[in-house]
Amino acid sequence: GENVEQHPSTLSVQEGDSAVIKCTYSDSASNYFPWYKQELGKGPQLIIDIRSNVGEKKDQRIAVTLNKTAKHFSLHITETQPEDSAVYFCAASWNNQGGKLIFGQGTELSVKP
Amino acid sequence: SAVISQKPSRDICQRGTSLTIQCQVDSQVTMMFWYRQQPGQSLTLIATANQGSEATYESGFVIDKFPISRPNLTFSTLTVSNMSPEDSSIYLCSVAAGRPDTQYFGPGTRLTVL
Repeated sequence: GENVEQHPSTLSVQEGDSAVIKCTYSDSASNYFPWYKQELGKGPQLIIDIRSNVGEKKDQRIAVTLNKTAKHFSLHITETQPEDSAVYFCAASWNNQGGKLIFGQGTELSVKP
Repeated sequence: SAVISQKPSRDICQRGTSLTIQCQVDSQVTMMFWYRQQPGQSLTLIATANQGSEATYESGFVIDKFPISRPNLTFSTLTVSNMSPEDSSIYLCSVAAGRPDTQYFGPGTRLTVL
């Protein structure tokens, strides 16, 4: 079955720096890749997603890139702020799986002021 | 997107008892999902709950342990039965808005079993 590996497990950056989180997936049939942000005590929040017909998508300070050949996708956060501190999860899904998402292990991002 | 609420937000339960978690969404949705998030871990899908049909369970999860109801397009319940300390987790419901794989999550129910 599909497997999603996420790295790093923890990431600490200074405010204003960029943060990059990387995920790899195993099933080449995967075609949808969302990213979620989970703050302490809250449910995961969808922050950006990308489908396999697109190589890059950007939303203000957040961008996601997808390399289908290498089967990996990355989250880029620029100009980080303390409120970006949270756990970030990548996920993957593929057609005909009824919406099933396979999640990576999570990255705890800490942005130091 | 959708606004999703869960009840209770947290609970502490005794071993051997059962807890029913409610999930309410502010719009009609076809697909709802239940996930488990063990402490410090990632999310694992328990089952998919579509209105008008039996829930579909993932490997490792069974209906006797996690019965699910889906009486209408805005509501679902998950029961955690005959609980043990290993069931201590966050239980999350999500809904698909638009495409089935675009999912939005509720705030979660934090369960501690003593």
